[in-house]
Amino acid sequence: EDQVTQSPEALRLQEGESSSLNCSYTVSGLRGLFWYRQDPGKGPEFLFTLYSAGEEKEKERLKATLTKKESFLHITAPKPEDSATYLCATPLGSNYQLIWGAGTKLIIKP
Amino acid sequence: NAGVTQTPKFRILKIGQSMTLQCTQDMNHNYMYWYRQDPGMGLKLIYYSVGAGITDKGEVPNGYNVSRSTTEDFPLRLELAAPSQTSVYFCASSRGISYEQYFGPGTRLTVT
Repeated sequence: EDQVTQSPEALRLQEGESSSLNCSYTVSGLRGLFWYRQDPGKGPEFLFTLYSAGEEKEKERLKATLTKKESFLHITAPKPEDSATYLCATPLGSNYQLIWGAGTKLIIKP
Repeated sequence: NAGVTQTPKFRILKIGQSMTLQCTQDMNHNYMYWYRQDPGMGLKLIYYSVGAGITDKGEVPNGYNVSRSTTEDFPLRLELAAPSQTSVYFCASSRGISYEQYFGPGTRLTVT
């Protein structure tokens, strides 16, 4: 079954404590892996798209990487404003419908 | 640009009532989507549209209807509301089918 699984469900870090979020997928023929950030009470906001294994993209304290089975979102020296839920998704089927993970809730304590 | 706007922000419905969730985008995107988000679950696609006059079902279309008469607007209709439709609803748009999606702020709907 095609699915996207994110871990952990929640992650609490101290400010400055680096870590990684995981997004594993079982879809065949990957056609892109999307990362989004969602703040409470708001819609998801696009962060990155990765298309092939070995690809990396960076934005401020965030770096996304991709392998053939999973993607990681690395957070370096996070700040409290990085607190949010991070979602990953990948297109499925001939009409490219996105299948979404349940998200990782990241809390950065000052 | 306002991006994607949704109204209302909150709504409480009684079982059996109907309502329309409004969605408008000002980015001239051809593709528009409706999702629902339930606690602890990933976003689920309800309906999507690839352009004015063209709509198609997503993963969870039962109990919903859509129309797309203009590029800008993509309303979602709930007929005979049920408690299972209690959720947060997001509208999104994209330039193309494989491009990043831009989301509205969401509508929190409670059916009691």
